[in-house]
Amino acid sequence: AQTVTQSQPEMSVQEAETVTLSCTYDTSESDYYLFWYKQPPSRQMILVIRQEAYKQQNATENRFSVNFQKAAKSFSLKISDSQLGDAAMYFCAYRSFTSGTYKYIFGTGTRLKVLA
Amino acid sequence: DVKVTQSSRYLVKRTGEKVFLECVQDMDHENMFWYRQDPGLGLRLIYFSYDVKMKEKGDIPEGYSVSREKKERFSLILESTSTNQTSMYLCASGGLRGGYTFGSGTRLTVV
Repeated sequence: AQTVTQSQPEMSVQEAETVTLSCTYDTSESDYYLFWYKQPPSRQMILVIRQEAYKQQNATENRFSVNFQKAAKSFSLKISDSQLGDAAMYFCAYRSFTSGTYKYIFGTGTRLKVLA
Repeated sequence: DVKVTQSSRYLVKRTGEKVFLECVQDMDHENMFWYRQDPGLGLRLIYFSYDVKMKEKGDIPEGYSVSREKKERFSLILESTSTNQTSMYLCASGGLRGGYTFGSGTRLTVV
């Protein structure tokens, strides 16, 4: 069974600085998707970024980028030029590409605080 | 934009009461999901559905049931609530490649 581990329950970053959130996963599959979701205090979960395992290039969305290390089963999220609005809970998620079902496995989350 | 609407934002129920949590999506997605979110445990899958009238158990289905009579609507049913079902409940809808779209959650308190 697949597992997703976020070992940092909480992180802090100064406004305008860069922060990296860690995520590791365990799977025997070769094809899968990985996601980062953001949950601000409003509780609405928002998709931040997605990575297909068969793509070697790391995904980037504006100030958000990932460092995907397939062999190490690592999928970290880098937030550049942090803003106060980035303060939220961040969840890493895994989804099988081939299972035929579309359920995700989530990590336990990392709470990011942004300091002014 | 895909929208997933959960009928209630906050609910307070007494132990033993029956609760319906409704979720509606407007993007014609086949797949819909119910998760509960608890501090330190992340999101855990209760049930999911990949088609009308189809449902599958997730990781923690005990004490819950679901109904999907129409494609756009996926209901979570707590037949007889207990205090350990106090939690945040999140509904999600999704397609093959994209990520989920979540509702804004229902915080259920059972007293």
